[in-house]
Amino acid sequence: QVQMQESGPGLVRPSETLSLTCTVSGDSISSYYWSWIRQPPGKGLEWIGYIYYTGSTNYNPSLKSRVTISVDTSKNQFSLKLTSVTAADTGVYYCARAGSVPGYYWFDPWGQGTLVTVSS
Amino acid sequence: DIQMTQSPSTLSASVGDRVTITCRASQSMSSWLAWYQQKPGKAPNLLIYKASSLQSGVPSRFSGSGSGTEFTLTISSLQPDDFATYYCQQYNSYPWTFGQGTKVEIK
Repeated sequence: QVQMQESGPGLVRPSETLSLTCTVSGDSISSYYWSWIRQPPGKGLEWIGYIYYTGSTNYNPSLKSRVTISVDTSKNQFSLKLTSVTAADTGVYYCARAGSVPGYYWFDPWGQGTLVTVSS
Repeated sequence: DIQMTQSPSTLSASVGDRVTITCRASQSMSSWLAWYQQKPGKAPNLLIYKASSLQSGVPSRFSGSGSGTEFTLTISSLQPDDFATYYCQQYNSYPWTFGQGTKVEIK
């Protein structure tokens, strides 16, 4: 059974870079689209972007200028970097798996999520 | 971007009620739509994919339907474990987008 676990700092200063890692167990990362999704407190879900094991990426245009997603196949991990953060970037960040074939892009499973607060 | 609008935003219902949640897309799309259930403090959980396919392990009281711009999630007989927030998600085109959520509350 695939399991995903986010890790990283829970507090980031304004204007700095948010960095998170998702560790995948129970499946090889060398398939599927591996995504990041976030949820501000009390609000809805926003897809940030995905990476394929080859390194191919696709980002939400609303965040594209600040986002980098990378993959480390040797560790079965993928990572998120979000630069120049503000309070608006505060929320729970989830990693999730999506299919890599058109029509199979639903998210399952998800990590448990990690709360990141942007504050000085 | 395809905007997804869910209605209602909040729904009050009783155990045993039949519940229907609607998700409308800002443009016509194929059946590339998923539904998720989220409980407080937890990650979303996949219920339905391809608009009407039931995810393995999900109770059969959940069903999905629709095409084009209008999709529905139906719970045939609401159970205590079903009080949660539900989200639709389109994966027809980038960027993938979610509805704003429908909270199902106890009446």
